[in-house]
Amino acid sequence: QLQLQESGPGLVKPSETLSLTCAVSGGSITTNNYYWGWIRQPPGKGLEWIGTIFYSGTTYYSPTLRTRVTMSVDTSRNQFSLRLRSVTAADTALYFCARHLDGPYGGFFNYWGQGNLVTVSS
Amino acid sequence: QSVLTQPPSVSGAPGQRVTISCTGSSSNIGAGYDVQWYQQLPGTAPKILIYADDNRPSGVPDRFSGSKSGTSASLAITGLQAEDEADYYCQAQDSSRGGPIFGGGTRLTVL
Repeated sequence: QLQLQESGPGLVKPSETLSLTCAVSGGSITTNNYYWGWIRQPPGKGLEWIGTIFYSGTTYYSPTLRTRVTMSVDTSRNQFSLRLRSVTAADTALYFCARHLDGPYGGFFNYWGQGNLVTVSS
Repeated sequence: QSVLTQPPSVSGAPGQRVTISCTGSSSNIGAGYDVQWYQQLPGTAPKILIYADDNRPSGVPDRFSGSKSGTSASLAITGLQAEDEADYYCQAQDSSRGGPIFGGGTRLTVL
C-alpha cells in the first residue's frame, strides 16, 4: 500500500522560506505515468493546487504561486520536496503531498499524505 | 472565489438521496475535461471518491455516483448514512489556470 508522509517545520517566520518534504513508501517514485503534487488548505477553507513534479525533475507550478515555488525530487531517497519563498500569513495552511495520476495538468490525486500544518507567524 | 462553484452546504436525513453540484465554464468542465470528486472527513486528508466524471475507485460504495453535462457536474449520494457527513470537493483541469482546480467545497450534514 502506497503511503506518503509530509515532514517539516510547523512554524515559519514571515518573509522566510517554507520547506517541506514528502517521503513515499510502498512504491517507487520513479514509476512511469505517476506525477507527484502538493496541495494546500488554509484553515477552514478549500483546497489549492500548488504544483506537480515528475520523477525526472520536470515541474509544473500554479500560476499564482509560480514566482515563489520550487519543487525538487530525490529518487535515491524516494521523496520530493517543496520550497515556498517569502511567506506571509496568507500561506498559513495544511500542506498535503499526493500522487498525481494522469497529471500534470488534469488527472487526479489518488494517494494523499496526512498533511503538515504550517503557520506563518513571527 | 473558486472557478468551480459548489453550494456551501447541503443536508439530508439518513436513507435519503442528496446531490452536490459543481458549476464551471467553457475553460474547464465545458471543455470536456474530466471531473473528480473528493470526500474529506473531519481532520483527515481528502479521499478520491469519483474520477473521470463517473468512475469509482475500488472500495468506494456504489451509493456514490457522478455525472456531467455541459459546464456542470454532480455528485449523488443515495441511502445517506451518518458517516457520509463530510466536506466534498469537485476538481477538474482548467485551460486558463495552468493546472488542476478545485471547487470551494460543500459540507454535507446528515440530519
